Amino acid sequence: DVVLTQSPLSLPVTLGQPASISCRSSQSLGNSDGNTYFNWFQQRPGQSPRRLIYKVSNRDSGVPDRFSGSGSGTDFTLKISRVEAEDAGVYYCMQGTHWPYTFGQGTKLEIK
Amino acid sequence: EVQLVESGGVVVQPGGSLRLSCAASGFIFHDYFMHWVRQVPGKGLEWVSLISGDGGATYYADSVRGRFTISRDNTKNSLYLQLSSLRTEDTALYYCAKDATHSLDHWGQGTLVTVSS
Repeated sequence: DVVLTQSPLSLPVTLGQPASISCRSSQSLGNSDGNTYFNWFQQRPGQSPRRLIYKVSNRDSGVPDRFSGSGSGTDFTLKISRVEAEDAGVYYCMQGTHWPYTFGQGTKLEIK
Repeated sequence: EVQLVESGGVVVQPGGSLRLSCAASGFIFHDYFMHWVRQVPGKGLEWVSLISGDGGATYYADSVRGRFTISRDNTKNSLYLQLSSLRTEDTALYYCAKDATHSLDHWGQGTLVTVSS
């Protein structure tokens, strides 16, 4: 199975400051159809996961443009340009290129 | 608006069985693959199972293969997960999720399964 390794696992951030989360894959996530099926999810306390980013850099409807995704191959990054209070929670990366789908272990973003 | 509502989570003894349900609305159910994903409370996410839109193809994580069975009833817009030979390590919040081409774009609120004697 593909192993996704996130860093850091804990991320204290001051309101208004930027934040960055890394996700490294044990295998390249480029698919034979030319796409890279890599996603980011946000899970706020007590809520279900919510998809933020799909295919590396595409924001879902309603996701603020302060969230951006980038990367290729085995290295991917989620960036938040200016953290707001509502961004607190756990962020997971997920790959859908190889079976089975796998998730990273999660990064807990807390507001300092 | 897409809605996914899970139900059926209970406390069950090791070795026991139960069936989870997921009621879907707001999209053409039979057009989409559907997933089950679980989360041990306070821990990470684990993909469990997938079923094709017509129900003809199913896939399972190694950890549940042979013990769990995914199914669907497209006439009722419902997804199911039959859990059997349950182990304490199956204790988790079980989510159903809608497929979106190698991704999961909508999730339910989850239903809690607790395996304990």
